[in-house]
Amino acid sequence: EVQLVESGGGLVQPGGSLRLSCAASGFTFSTDWMTWVRQAPGKGLEWVANIKPDGSDKYYVDSVRGRFTVSRDNAKNSLYLQIDSLRGEDTAIYYCARHYFQYFDFWGQGTLVTVSS
Amino acid sequence: QSALTQPPSASGSPGQSVTISCTGTSSDVGGYNFVSWYQQHPGKAPKLMIFEVTKRPSGVPDRFSGSKSGNTASLTVSGLQAEDEADYYCNSYAGSDSYVFGTGTRVTVL
Repeated sequence: EVQLVESGGGLVQPGGSLRLSCAASGFTFSTDWMTWVRQAPGKGLEWVANIKPDGSDKYYVDSVRGRFTVSRDNAKNSLYLQIDSLRGEDTAIYYCARHYFQYFDFWGQGTLVTVSS
Repeated sequence: QSALTQPPSASGSPGQSVTISCTGTSSDVGGYNFVSWYQQHPGKAPKLMIFEVTKRPSGVPDRFSGSKSGNTASLTVSGLQAEDEADYYCNSYAGSDSYVFGTGTRVTVL
């Protein structure tokens, strides 16, 4: 059974940093693209970033490029999202998802990031 | 990377059909057959319902179907059931390994 479990969310002040993690199991993590998607409270889904299986290529939505860094550790079956220079508009639930071809077939339950002073 | 346009709401009585549109541009929806649809119940993670415009993952009822014409994709839910009441989001590949979601549609079963 495929499982994705996010962690690392919490309350952080504007300008602060946070590192989100996603622990994967039930599939061959090292051969699959992975994606981060976020959802602000009461709002829609927004694709944030994805990463190739070997971590060599990473892609970001314009609004986070330069502040967010996606990475992975295939030996630990883990995906990460380093979020720096946090802003109020980054407040959201962050989901990791397996990125299979051009769609997202398995999702975690999400971790909430709240940016507030 | 502008969000795809969906109607905010749609509704139907049990047993009826509802169709949700998802309008983009020739750079996303119109340019690729890589439209997917996701169902999200309140407080839950999204669930894949349709991929590559028309394909259903195993376990998704055949009441759910997808189509595309030009820059607009559509999701149709036939034979509406109470459990279909949820938010639905389209997504499209937008080139250069980027993706864009729709604005979301809340489906209400009357």
